[in-house]
Amino acid sequence: KAGVTQTPRYLIKTRGQQVTLSCSPISGHRSVSWYQQTPGQGLQFLFEYFSETQRNKGNFPGRFSGRQFSNSRSEMNVSTLELGDSALYLCASRPGAGAGSIFGYTFGSGTRLTVV
Amino acid sequence: DQQVKQNSPSLSVQEGRISILNCDYTNSMFDYFLWYKKYPAEGPTFLISISSIKDKNEDGRFTVFLNKSAKHLSLHIVPSQPGDSAVYFCAASDTGNQFYFGTGTSLTVIP
Repeated sequence: KAGVTQTPRYLIKTRGQQVTLSCSPISGHRSVSWYQQTPGQGLQFLFEYFSETQRNKGNFPGRFSGRQFSNSRSEMNVSTLELGDSALYLCASRPGAGAGSIFGYTFGSGTRLTVV
Repeated sequence: DQQVKQNSPSLSVQEGRISILNCDYTNSMFDYFLWYKKYPAEGPTFLISISSIKDKNEDGRFTVFLNKSAKHLSLHIVPSQPGDSAVYFCAASDTGNQFYFGTGTSLTVIP
């Protein structure tokens, strides 16, 4: 069974640009969550999508957005990039959402974004 | 504000000994707790979990203890092996919709 696939693995962008990251969940998983990992801050929750609808959103500015397609693949977009957006962006998929699917989180390897 | 804290950024243990990784949280509504392990250049992998109705959960060499009154959980690895060297994250949730992660503890097991 293929794992969670994130593309690209590495990305370098300039301040002010925008970027789109992609996440393909495990087959059959309908929920995709995105996290930002920075040194000293751990993993910070961005948002979760389930059945193409955003279910939960973390405390990030509106420059961070996402969407989910009918095949459960998800994209995350960051507009007007800032130096502080440099981080490892991880997505995680699970079969469902909420308390019924707590222990099914599987993470991808992440996209390392560097903003210069 | 960090709702889940791992106050030890790093830990070194001799092979064969016990590793104890600690995690504190502030939200008394958290009911679900998970531990993840992360190797460099890989995503976190699920290790073990516990819900608030239990105070202990074991899986092989890994045991998680939960003390709800102290809002504290710990992961015990016995015996520790060099392959256990990784960064360990604890995570907590109240409804299972959003997980709050700690900043991680880097474990080094010395052969």
